[in-house]
Amino acid sequence: KQEVTQIPAALSVPEGENLVLNCSFTDSAIYNLQWFRQDPGKGLTSLLLIQSSQREQTSGRLNASLDKSSGRSTLYIAASQPGDSATYLCAVMDSSASKIIFGSGTRLSIRP
Amino acid sequence: EPEVTQTPSHQVTQMGQEVILRCVPISNHLYFYWYRQILGQKVEFLVSFYNNEISEKSEIFDDQFSVERPDGSNFTLKIRSTKLEDSAMYFCASSWDRSNEKLFFGSGTQLSVL
Repeated sequence: KQEVTQIPAALSVPEGENLVLNCSFTDSAIYNLQWFRQDPGKGLTSLLLIQSSQREQTSGRLNASLDKSSGRSTLYIAASQPGDSATYLCAVMDSSASKIIFGSGTRLSIRP
Repeated sequence: EPEVTQTPSHQVTQMGQEVILRCVPISNHLYFYWYRQILGQKVEFLVSFYNNEISEKSEIFDDQFSVERPDGSNFTLKIRSTKLEDSAMYFCASSWDRSNEKLFFGSGTQLSVL
């Protein structure tokens, strides 16, 4: 059964710092991996999607990497801003391609 | 940008009552999903739906739950005889492609069972 783990559970950094969020998954047979952002009381917004054949994806200040064989992904946020404060969720689409499985998230706080 | 719309945003019901949560997926999307998030816990998969039938359902999605796409635009989740433990945020999601495209989520329905 696929399990997705995110470390750390919470992170607080001063504005302007670069930071890395980590995600690991137990079964490497995945179709893709997505990173989502969740603001309090709101829905989930997909930030980046990496196909299983890809190594990384970039969008603006965000860069996500995927090492499928080791079951790991990282989300790199450059030059963090207070508006980046949110919970970041990692999710993998499993081998059935019928569902995505979420990690528990990293709650990120950027201090002005 | 197109978005997934969910109504109502909040629903309060008495234990044992039936509730219907409504979703309007993005218009050209083909794959539809329901997820839920109990306060402080992970987002959990409930069911996926394609071509007017369930593709996969989790162990949570028992006979108490059902989904329907009654017309070309709506996608509903019905919970019969609600229990206290059904209290959660319920998210609808849709995508154009099963595995190659991002999943778009609605803003959720907060269900409170009293």
